[in-house]
Amino acid sequence: DGGITQSPKYLFRKEGQNVTLSCEQNLNHDAMYWYRQDPGQGLRLIYYSQIVNDFQKGDIAEGYSVSREKKESFPLTVTSAQKNPTAFYLCASRQTGEDTQYFGPGTRLTVL
Amino acid sequence: EDQVTQSPEALRLQEGESSSLNCSYTVSGLRGLFWYRQDPGKGPEFLFTLYSAGEEKEKERLKATLTKKESFLHITAPKPEDSATYLCAVQASGGYQKVTFGTGTKLQVIP
Repeated sequence: DGGITQSPKYLFRKEGQNVTLSCEQNLNHDAMYWYRQDPGQGLRLIYYSQIVNDFQKGDIAEGYSVSREKKESFPLTVTSAQKNPTAFYLCASRQTGEDTQYFGPGTRLTVL
Repeated sequence: EDQVTQSPEALRLQEGESSSLNCSYTVSGLRGLFWYRQDPGKGPEFLFTLYSAGEEKEKERLKATLTKKESFLHITAPKPEDSATYLCAVQASGGYQKVTFGTGTKLQVIP
């Protein structure tokens, strides 16, 4: 089955720790995205990548970092510099030449 | 700045009671408008993409329509399994084709 996987589903972090969220896709999509979802707000773009070894900041990139070493993988690191990291994180991908983004199941991060 | 406003925030329907969800948008050149369904604790599931005013798309009990300023998601004879949050998003033309999401309409269908 083709799709997007995110792991872990739930993640708990102590303040001051960095954590990395995994996103893998086997759809052969070129573009990948990370969004953050908070109650009462629309999805907000953190980072996106349109091709391997290239990525761009979205609207709320401060306190986050990414890498894109393989087409299939786009991990997101939430650093200790992110002041309010508790949220639901969504990864998405899109095929070049098409417009629709497809989403993974999400990771809920809670900072204790 | 691109904006998407969805109304109502929440909607409660009896099973079989048809209704519509609204998505009003302002965007600097519309490339596409998307509808997604999101169940609690899960990622959004793609429903429709609309590109031009007058376009309509249907899937089971759902029909999406588009005008120059808004989109409607019509739900005909809903069932309890249609309960979910429905998200609307617009994609701007040009640049990296940014997608702006609304905050969603939470639909509850009561048996």
